[in-house]
Parts: sequence; structure tokens; C-alpha cells
Amino acid sequence: QVQLVESGGGLVKPGGSLRLSCAASGFSLSDYYMSWIRQAPGKGLEWVSYVSSLSSFTDYADSVKGRFTISRDNADNSLFLQMNSLRAEDTAIYYCARVRGGSGLPVNYFDFWGPGVLVTVSS
Amino acid sequence: DTQMTQSPSSLSASVGDRVTITCRASQSVTNYLNWYQQKSGTAPNLLIYSASSLQTGVPSRFSGSGSGTDFTLTISSLQPEDSATYYCQQTYSTPYTFGQGTKLEIK
Repeated sequence: QVQLVESGGGLVKPGGSLRLSCAASGFSLSDYYMSWIRQAPGKGLEWVSYVSSLSSFTDYADSVKGRFTISRDNADNSLFLQMNSLRAEDTAIYYCARVRGGSGLPVNYFDFWGPGVLVTVSS
Repeated sequence: DTQMTQSPSSLSASVGDRVTITCRASQSVTNYLNWYQQKSGTAPNLLIYSASSLQTGVPSRFSGSGSGTDFTLTISSLQPEDSATYYCQQTYSTPYTFGQGTKLEIK
């Protein structure tokens, strides 16, 4: 069955860096776009980034553009999020999710999500 | 950016009730509108995609409708396990924005 498991979260000081990983199993990662979504404590959901199946296309929320980089290793069935220049407002649970396309657009919905990993940015 | 506004922000209903949650987009998203259910302490779970398509494995009491800017999620007969927060999301254009959520409590 489809499984996504995030790792790499933890406590980091403002200005620091962290690299999140998402291990995929039960499907071939290379067949799907993938995405990161985050949720600040007690708050709603915020889309962060997506990457196309062969890494040709990426996009980011303005709040992370220039600081976060999404990447993937299809041979290793892994998705990554490199987070630099972290700020207190980046504190959140980070989810990776599998993307399904639509008839006209590459991103239609997120059909499987990992359990999430907590990132805390604090001095 | 496309702003998504859900109403109500919270509601309380009884088992067996028919419940409707609405989602309004600040501009047309055609039918690129999805609904997710999030239970406390867990990841969101896809219920409805493309405004009205039921995700595999989701009970048929859940349904979605709408197009353009106005959408609804309906639970035809509320069950105790439906206690959760519900989010709409547009994927017509980036950033893929979510509504603020509707917290549903069972009386």
C-alpha cells in the first residue's frame, strides 16, 4: 500500500538550516509529482512547494521562495525539502503528499499524505 | 493569490443530521476544488476532488458540488466519526490555497 514517511525535523535556531526527507513506498515515485504542505501549531494548512515527476518543474509559496529548495531522488524513492534561513514563522508540521494530475493541469489534488514531521524554529 | 473562504468556521450537529459546509473562491477556480478531512493529531485525508468526485474508500454520505467560485461539501447523515476539521483547497493556480477550515463537532 502507498506509504509516505517524513523525517529530519527538530529544533533549529533562527537563521539555521534543516533538510527534510520523505520516504515513499508502495508506488513508483517517478510516476508522480510530489508536494510539501505545512501546518503551524493550531493553524490551517499552507501549501509550500511542488516538484514535477522528473524534476523539470518546481514552484514555491512566496513565503519560502529563495529559502527552501525541493528536490527528489526517484531511484531512492525519496523527496526532500532543504530549508535555509529559517524563521520563527516556519515552525510547523511539514507533510509530504503525492500529487494527482487533472485533465488540463499537472496538479489536481493530493491523494496520499505522510504523518508529518515537526520543525521548530526557536532560540 | 486566490483566497478561499469557508463558512461556517465551526458548527455543532447531531448524529443523523445533514450538514453543509460552503467554500467561496475570490476568483474562478473552475472545478479545481478539493475537500480534505483532518482529525485531531493526524494528517489530512482526501474526501472529494475536482469539486464532486468521491475519493476511493470515502463513505458515500460525503458529496461535493459547485463550480467557478462557489462550492459545497455535504454530509448526508452525520456519523460520530465525522468529528473533524474540514478544509477546501483550490489547485487551479499557485499558490494552492486552502480555506481556513471548518471545525465540526458532534453534539
